Amino acid sequence: KQEVTQIPAALSVPEGENLVLNCSFTDSAIYNLQWFRQDPGKGLTSLLLIQSSQREQTSGRLNASLDKSSGRSTLYIAASQPGDSATYLCAVIGVVADYKLSFGAGTTVTVRA
Amino acid sequence: ETGVTQTPRHLVMGMTNKKSLKCEQHLGHNAMYWYKQSAKKPLELMFVYSLEERVENNSVPSRFSPECPNSSHLFLHLHTLQPEDSALYLCASSQDQATSTYGQYFGPGTRLTVT
Repeated sequence: KQEVTQIPAALSVPEGENLVLNCSFTDSAIYNLQWFRQDPGKGLTSLLLIQSSQREQTSGRLNASLDKSSGRSTLYIAASQPGDSATYLCAVIGVVADYKLSFGAGTTVTVRA
Repeated sequence: ETGVTQTPRHLVMGMTNKKSLKCEQHLGHNAMYWYKQSAKKPLELMFVYSLEERVENNSVPSRFSPECPNSSHLFLHLHTLQPEDSALYLCASSQDQATSTYGQYFGPGTRLTVT
């Protein structure tokens, strides 16, 4: 069974600092990994999707890397802003049951103005 | 409207009530999903529908009953719920059942409180 872990569970930084969020997964047989953002009481917004054949994806200030062999992904957010405050979730799709997203518990980020 | 919509956004119901959650996707997708998000827990997949057929029932109690009348609509019928069923219920859709290429798109969720 795929287990997805996100460390740290919570993070508080001053505005302007770079954010580094970590995600690890136990089964490296994945199709892709997806990073989501969730604001309090709201749904999930997809940020980046990395295919298993890719090493990284970039969108604006966001960069996500994937090391499938070691079961790790890192989300970098450059020059953080108070609007980046949210919970960030990573999820993987395994080769077996490829419709099933396995989620981590999330990292809750607070960016202080 | 675009994307995935859910109604109602908030619902309070007693344990003897019957209610339904509705999800609609405007993306032309063929697969739809129900997830449960409880406090401090990872999202749990409940049901998966592909081309209106249920392909996954992830050991969900029978007091939750899904319905997918067409590829754009998904319902979750609720009856005789328990307080521990209080959670955020999220609907998602994807191009097809194998979401490896394009990922899943989520609605805003229904916050359910069972009293």
